Amino acid sequence: KQEVTQIPAALSVPEGENLVLNCSFTDSAIYNLQWFRQDPGKGLTSLLLIQSSQREQTSGRLNASLDKSSGRSTLYIAASQPGDSATYLCAVRTSGSRLTFGEGTQLTVNP
Amino acid sequence: GAVVSQHPSRVICKSGTSVKIECRSLDFQATTMFWYRQFPKQSLMLMATSNEGSKATYEQGVEKDKFLINHASLTLSTLTVTSAHPEDSSFYICSATGTGYEKLFFGSGTQLSVL
Repeated sequence: KQEVTQIPAALSVPEGENLVLNCSFTDSAIYNLQWFRQDPGKGLTSLLLIQSSQREQTSGRLNASLDKSSGRSTLYIAASQPGDSATYLCAVRTSGSRLTFGEGTQLTVNP
Repeated sequence: GAVVSQHPSRVICKSGTSVKIECRSLDFQATTMFWYRQFPKQSLMLMATSNEGSKATYEQGVEKDKFLINHASLTLSTLTVTSAHPEDSSFYICSATGTGYEKLFFGSGTQLSVL
């Protein structure tokens, strides 16, 4: 059974700081890995999707890496802003279209 | 990107009543839809997977008769919480995907509060 773990559970940083969120998964037989953002009481916004054959994806200030063999992914956020405050979820896709989610990292960026 | 619309965004109901949540794909054909449940400060837990025209496949521990899922068309799936109780209070989110899509697209969620 696939298990996804995210560390840290919560993170508070001053504005402008670069930060890294971590995600690990137990079964390396994945199709892809996605990072999502969730604002309180809202649905999910897809940030980046990395295919199993890829090592990283970039979008603006976000960079996600994937090391499938070791079961790890990181989400790097450069020059953090208060608007980045949200919960960040990592999810791996295994069989079919099934996603297994981590419990998320709650990020607070202080002005 | 593809759009998934979920309604209502919030519902408050009395214990014992049934509540229906709709999930619609607005600009693509959703061959598969997923229903998740999320408790405060916890992750999304998959409840069931539904393919258009077929019966839903429920995850272990999810009561089929309590959480009725219908996916009668390629653009609409519904989740009905029957005889709701306070412990059913939670955030419910749907997601959808279609042929050729790598991503799943998520609805905005429904906060259910059962009094």
